[in-house]
Amino acid sequence: QKEVEQNSGPLSVPEGAIASLNCTYSDRGSQSFFWYRQYSGKSPELIMSIYSNGDKEDGRFTAQLNKASQYVSLLIRDSQPSDSATYLCAVIISGSARQLTFGSGTQLTVLP
Amino acid sequence: GAVVSQHPSWVICKSGTSVKIECRSLDFQATTMFWYRQFPKQSLMLMATSNEGSKATYEQGVEKDKFLINHASLTLSTLTVTSAHPEDSSFYICSARDRVGGNTIYFGEGSWLTVV
Repeated sequence: QKEVEQNSGPLSVPEGAIASLNCTYSDRGSQSFFWYRQYSGKSPELIMSIYSNGDKEDGRFTAQLNKASQYVSLLIRDSQPSDSATYLCAVIISGSARQLTFGSGTQLTVLP
Repeated sequence: GAVVSQHPSWVICKSGTSVKIECRSLDFQATTMFWYRQFPKQSLMLMATSNEGSKATYEQGVEKDKFLINHASLTLSTLTVTSAHPEDSSFYICSARDRVGGNTIYFGEGSWLTVV
């Protein structure tokens, strides 16, 4: 079992819709969770960090964390074509010297 | 926000030569920096963790004598690819942890290496 799992996609949504990206992790002791966006040929860009159960909102983005289910998600409201990218879920695995472990990423396409 | 600068953005080198990539944290001190490699359409693979003032910790399967990492100051880490071969061609990305800023990890812009 991979430590951090994401559906690779591709996920396509129409412009203006809500895009929902999901991620599960295997280490129950993990405490820090991140979502990064990566455009093709570019470096990842931090979108959200979340550390506590529940929702965290920042503009059009909402991160949701459920530690009991070992599940973290990212919702993008009012999706725009510029949101088309690969979204990487990252977790700091407990006992890992605080390094990020990445999922394989979900490719999102927002159709105009 | 925090900025991590990586240089060069892209480099082409001949097979057998060495290439150095720099990673700088511009507005925070980074006691820990990370080096990743990413092949096309694949996820980031951690190569090594670089700690200021000490030896880097390499991931399994990464040759420490081939990928030399130096973290001589709180704002600078370097990765040197020695005796580069075409199969080393990849996108190399560094990241740095802002220990004061909630341990958030920021990425550099990445460096494209092509070995011909």
